[in-house]
Amino acid sequence: AQSVAQPEDQVNVAEGNPLTVKCTYSVSGNPYLFWYVQYPNRGLQFLLKYITGDNLVKGSYGFEAEFNKSQTSFHLKKPSALVSDSALYFCAVTKRAGGGNKLTFGTGTQLKVEL
Amino acid sequence: EAGVVQSPRYKIIEKKQPVAFWCNPISGHNTLYWYLQNLGQGPELLIRYENEEAVDDSQLPKDRFSAERLKGVDSTLKIQPAELGDSAVYLCASSLGATSGSIDEQFFGPGTRLTVL
Repeated sequence: AQSVAQPEDQVNVAEGNPLTVKCTYSVSGNPYLFWYVQYPNRGLQFLLKYITGDNLVKGSYGFEAEFNKSQTSFHLKKPSALVSDSALYFCAVTKRAGGGNKLTFGTGTQLKVEL
Repeated sequence: EAGVVQSPRYKIIEKKQPVAFWCNPISGHNTLYWYLQNLGQGPELLIRYENEEAVDDSQLPKDRFSAERLKGVDSTLKIQPAELGDSAVYLCASSLGATSGSIDEQFFGPGTRLTVL
């Protein structure tokens, strides 16, 4: 079975400060990892994915994530937060071999960026 | 390019009534997914289609839920009869599919918010 843990229900950060949204995963074999963002009354929007290669993945809107195999983590980061980044963020995992693109999502982390 | 289209956006029904949701994926996307999202939770897969074939419906409660994708394009998800616990957001997503040779990102529609009274 595969699973994702997002240990923080909410993260608060001041605009201009760096932000980190944490994610750890469990999957048999090698993972594919994703971050999605959800704005109110909207569907999930793809931010970035890790497939293989460089552990630091860059995505949309200045976000990046770092894959750490030994810690089974895939934390989302941004050097300078914007108020418009306030939204609900989901981490997701599937396994490479035989995963069939079946994503398992975490419970989400609400990011609040304040002036 | 148009995204994933879902209708209706909102639906309120009484328990024991039937309800149907419609989804039109992004053109050229072979894989279509239906997810259930409860309040405060991440989406949970109900069913996945590769073209017109349901390749993973293990999480679909088949006693009351059904889905179809007859021509391998748009899809309908039905609940009959609806129960109070079915109140949730039903999300449709699509991706290029297995022929892309990789695990590719899924594109989500805005969802249908169902309220069962």
